[in-house]
Order: sequence, then structure tokens, then C-alpha cells
Amino acid sequence: NAGVTQTPKFRILKIGQSMTLQCTQDMNHNYMYWYRQDPGMGLKLIYYSVGAGITDKGEVPNGYNVSRSTTEDFPLRLELAAPSQTSVYFCASSGRGQRTGELFFGEGSRLTVL
Amino acid sequence: QQQVKQSPQSLIVQKGGISIINCAYENTAFDYFPWYQQFPGKGPALLIAIRPDVSEKKEGRFTISFNKSAKQFSLHIMDSQPGDSATYFCAASRNTGGFKTIFGAGTRLFVKA
Repeated sequence: NAGVTQTPKFRILKIGQSMTLQCTQDMNHNYMYWYRQDPGMGLKLIYYSVGAGITDKGEVPNGYNVSRSTTEDFPLRLELAAPSQTSVYFCASSGRGQRTGELFFGEGSRLTVL
Repeated sequence: QQQVKQSPQSLIVQKGGISIINCAYENTAFDYFPWYQQFPGKGPALLIAIRPDVSEKKEGRFTISFNKSAKQFSLHIMDSQPGDSATYFCAASRNTGGFKTIFGAGTRLFVKA
């Protein structure tokens, strides 16, 4: 029972490079989210999805893109990496109805842009 | 209106003492208030949660107190242990649209042995 799995765990990018952070969940959850965590700033929502084929922007979407072709997978794409995107990224998922607010997180992907 | 304000930013408590973390929210449409615990190098994990129809919820040493009129809620950790040392986040969401969970800035708790 893996839960939410993120890859890679660590990555260093040069300014202007692009990459994709992978996220998959095996709990058959409809809702999936990408958050970024910066020191002293809590978790900020980047993008979320309420189901396959449906995505929407969160609080800080600029510089990122997502897709949701299956229930299980929710990759986050960084285009033209900038130092401001240095952060720890967390993918999360949640179920339906009364359980929608109970988020299950992956272990994070630490990204450094130099 | 979407903010959740959390205090203190950091907290040091003696083993056996009570740790108290406070949060305040603005949006009265929020109807689910969870607390998450995060250890270094790990993702946050749900610790305890409350809905606004009750004023208190207790699970073991962890208690949430909720004041709907003041739009405030707090986490109390009784008999704090060194293993409780972690970062704690309060959060708020709307269960009818729970996909937008808003987090507080976090509190780093250190319990001295």
C-alpha cells in the first residue's frame, strides 16, 4: 500500500531548464493537488484536479503546468525554471464526500534552481 | 478572506508540559479544520480534525478547541514528549469544495527532554 508516490526526491536544475515532477496514488482518490513549501510560508496550492481530465489553478500557478490523464497520475511540469521555483514540492490526494478535506501527502520533491 | 493565521512560529516546551498552537481564519464558509504533523524530510500527515458543529475534539494527548464565533481554533498537546517535536500546520477547507485546503504558516515545536 504505497499511498502517494513522488519522483524524483531531489533535483538540481539550471535556470531555463524544464522538468516534470511525477506523482501517482494508488488509493483511487478523485482529488489531487500540488503544493509548494517554502520556509516559514506554509504550503501554497499550485494546481489541483477534481478528476481525470479536469484541472484548475491554485494560489501560485505561474511557471507551472499540470495534466490529469488518469485517476492515478498527476504530473507537474516546470517550464523555464527560475531561482524562485527553488522549493519543496508536495503532491497530495483526497477522497470523495466527507473525506475530501483529508489530504494524503507524498514525501516531497526537493528542487533547487541554480 | 482565504487566509489562515497561525501562531506561534516556534515553540519550546519541557517534556510533560502542554503545547498550545493557535489559528484564526476569516472565511466563514470553511467547514473542516484539520491539523497536520510534519517530521523533517517527510510529507505532512493528518493528525486530528474538527468540524464547526462541535467545540472540542480529543484524540489521545491531542485536543482541538474550536471557537466558531471568534473564528479561532487551537491544538493542545498534553504531556508533550520529545517524539512530538515536529512542525504543525493548521488548515481550513470547505468540504463541499474541499479541494482548496488553505494552510497556516506552521509552528516548529521542540520538546526538551
